[in-house]
Amino acid sequence: GQNIDQPTEMTATEGAIVQINCTYQTSGFNGLFWYQQHAGEAPTFLSYNVLDGLEEKGRFSSFLSRSKGYSYLLLKELQMKDSASYLCAASSNDYKLSFGAGTTVTVRA
Amino acid sequence: GAGVSQSPRYKVAKRGQDVALRCDPISGHVSLFWYQQALGQGPEFLTYFQNEAQLDKSGLPSDRFFAERPEGSVSTLKIQRTQQEDSAVYLCASSLTGFNQPQHFGDGTRLSIL
Repeated sequence: GQNIDQPTEMTATEGAIVQINCTYQTSGFNGLFWYQQHAGEAPTFLSYNVLDGLEEKGRFSSFLSRSKGYSYLLLKELQMKDSASYLCAASSNDYKLSFGAGTTVTVRA
Repeated sequence: GAGVSQSPRYKVAKRGQDVALRCDPISGHVSLFWYQQALGQGPEFLTYFQNEAQLDKSGLPSDRFFAERPEGSVSTLKIQRTQQEDSAVYLCASSLTGFNQPQHFGDGTRLSIL
C-alpha cells in the first residue's frame, strides 16, 4: 500500500519562508510530485523530484531523500496568493500518483 | 483546447440515479486519469487509460463505477445507482505519455447525491 503524510495546516506571514514536509512509504516508488490547489480549483503542477537533492524553481524549491522517504517543499518570499492547499504525491509503477491529504497554507499580512 | 475540460461543473442527483461525467483531455495527451477527491482530502486514484486502453481500474470503488475512452480522446466516468457516499469532486487529468510526467488536471465535477 501507499502511505503519504504531511501536516494539515501551516500559517506564515507575507514575505516569510515556509517549509512543508512530506514522508512517504510507497512500493515501486519512482519520484515525488508537488501540486498547488486553490479552493474549488484544479491542482496545478509545481515540481517533480526523481533524484535526491534540491530542485529550485523561482520562489519554490523541492527536496527529496529517497533513502529516508522524505521530501519538502520550500516557499520563499510568501505572497497572499500563495494561500492554498499543497499536495504531496508519490509516483509508482511509472504512472500512478498517491496523494497526501494536503497542507493548507494560510499567508497573513 | 488549452487545458483539461470537464463537464458538468456541478451535478446533483437523487440516490439511485445514474450519472455520466465527461472529460476532454489536452489534445495529443496519450494518458488519462480519473480521481475522486473528498472534502479536505487529496485526490484518490480511480483509473488510468493509455489511448483507448484502460490499463488500471484498481481504484474504482465498486462495479457501479465504469469508465471508458473509446477513441482515445474524450473519456466518460459513469456511476450507476448512485449512493450518498459517491458525493465528491471527480477530477480528470491527462499527461503526454503518463510515464513520470506531470499530470494536468481539470477543475473537476462536484457531484452531490441527495
